[in-house]
Amino acid sequence: KNQVEQSPQSLIILEGKNCTLQCNYTVSPFSNLRWYKQDTGRGPVSLTIMTFSENTKSNGRYTATLDADTKQSSLHITASQLSDSASYICVVSLTSNFGNEKLTFGTGTRLTIIP
Amino acid sequence: NAGVTQTPKFRILKIGQSMTLQCAQDMNHNYMYWYRQDPGMGLKLIYYSVGAGITDKGEVPNGYNVSRSTTEDFPLRLELAAPSQTSVYFCASSYSRQGAFLNIQYFGAGTRLSVL
Repeated sequence: KNQVEQSPQSLIILEGKNCTLQCNYTVSPFSNLRWYKQDTGRGPVSLTIMTFSENTKSNGRYTATLDADTKQSSLHITASQLSDSASYICVVSLTSNFGNEKLTFGTGTRLTIIP
Repeated sequence: NAGVTQTPKFRILKIGQSMTLQCAQDMNHNYMYWYRQDPGMGLKLIYYSVGAGITDKGEVPNGYNVSRSTTEDFPLRLELAAPSQTSVYFCASSYSRQGAFLNIQYFGAGTRLSVL
């Protein structure tokens, strides 16, 4: 069964600190892996997309890594800010025909930044 | 830029009632999607559409219907609401072209539905 598991479920850190969120997946055949940020009461917003040939991708203070051999990904947040408080969702895509991607969503890590 | 607009934001239904969740996008995207997000669960795909007049079932289509008469609009219909349909519903859209599959999905703000 294709699954995406994220850890921890929730995390609280002080403003200015760094943190790393984990994602393990069993989705096969793998196409690409995405990280989304979901603010409370809002829809998910894409942060990064990585194919199997990429092992790191940055978007400002967000850096995602991918190890396709061990089927693990991480999202590292540097110098956290209060606005980083959100849920972070790992999404894995199955190899697809033209356009019809099958996305498997993780349950997310709820990150809270405290001043 | 409005992006993906969903209405209403909140709704309470009684068991057996029907309603339509509206979704509109102004980005000229060909693909549109409906997801539901239950507490502690990942998003699940209900229906999707690859273009006007074309729709297909996702992972959890039972109890729902969709139509896509225009590129911009993709309404989701609940005919006989049940408590199991209490959830947050997200509409998304993306642009996909031949040979490309890294299409970014843009999500609306969601509709929170309670069926009592």
